[in-house]
Amino acid sequence: EAAVTQSPRNKVAVTGGKVTLSCNQTNNHNNMYWYRQDTGHGLRLIHYSYGAGSTEKGDIPDGYKASRPSQENFSLILELATPSQTSVYFCASGDPAGASNSDYTFGSGTRLLVI
Amino acid sequence: GQQVQQSPASLVLQEGENAELQCNFSTSLNSMQWFYQRPGGSLVSLFYNPSGTKQSGRLTSTTVIKERRSSLHISSSQTTDSGTYLCAMGMGYKLTFGTGTSLLVDP
Repeated sequence: EAAVTQSPRNKVAVTGGKVTLSCNQTNNHNNMYWYRQDTGHGLRLIHYSYGAGSTEKGDIPDGYKASRPSQENFSLILELATPSQTSVYFCASGDPAGASNSDYTFGSGTRLLVI
Repeated sequence: GQQVQQSPASLVLQEGENAELQCNFSTSLNSMQWFYQRPGGSLVSLFYNPSGTKQSGRLTSTTVIKERRSSLHISSSQTTDSGTYLCAMGMGYKLTFGTGTSLLVDP
């Protein structure tokens, strides 16, 4: 069954440390996305990718980097984690939002606590 | 300002009651979708509905692009409908989400 798998499910990091969140999809979608979800803000787009080797800035990219080494894998990197990056992070894969039959699949989320 | 406004922010129903969730957009859009989020869990796509009316079981989505709004109607609610309902507008390659409606259906 096609799916989006995130790891880890939970992570505690120290301020200033490096954090890497991983995402793997078996949907064979070209596009992948990283969102964070916070109370009062809904889901906000951090970075996205059109395919292997590409990364694009979303609406809130500051403090985050992304890497898309292959069709299946998309990572979110926090080089210097800060407490304000404590959040729930979701990865998704999908067809373009403007396609006639949009298909979006989300991972189960990663709960990150930066102390 | 917020491009996607959802209302109400929260809603409590007795099992069997109907619900109407609203989504309003401040800009023109290519498409819109409705998602359901389980408590503490992932998101599941309910409808891709750029215009018109679509129905799936007890759920009906109606989008009027010209008026920049979409609604989600839940009929004969069940306790398993509890969770958060999110609408999202599509522009190009990305979705912009509303803050969601938290629904609790009591038995």
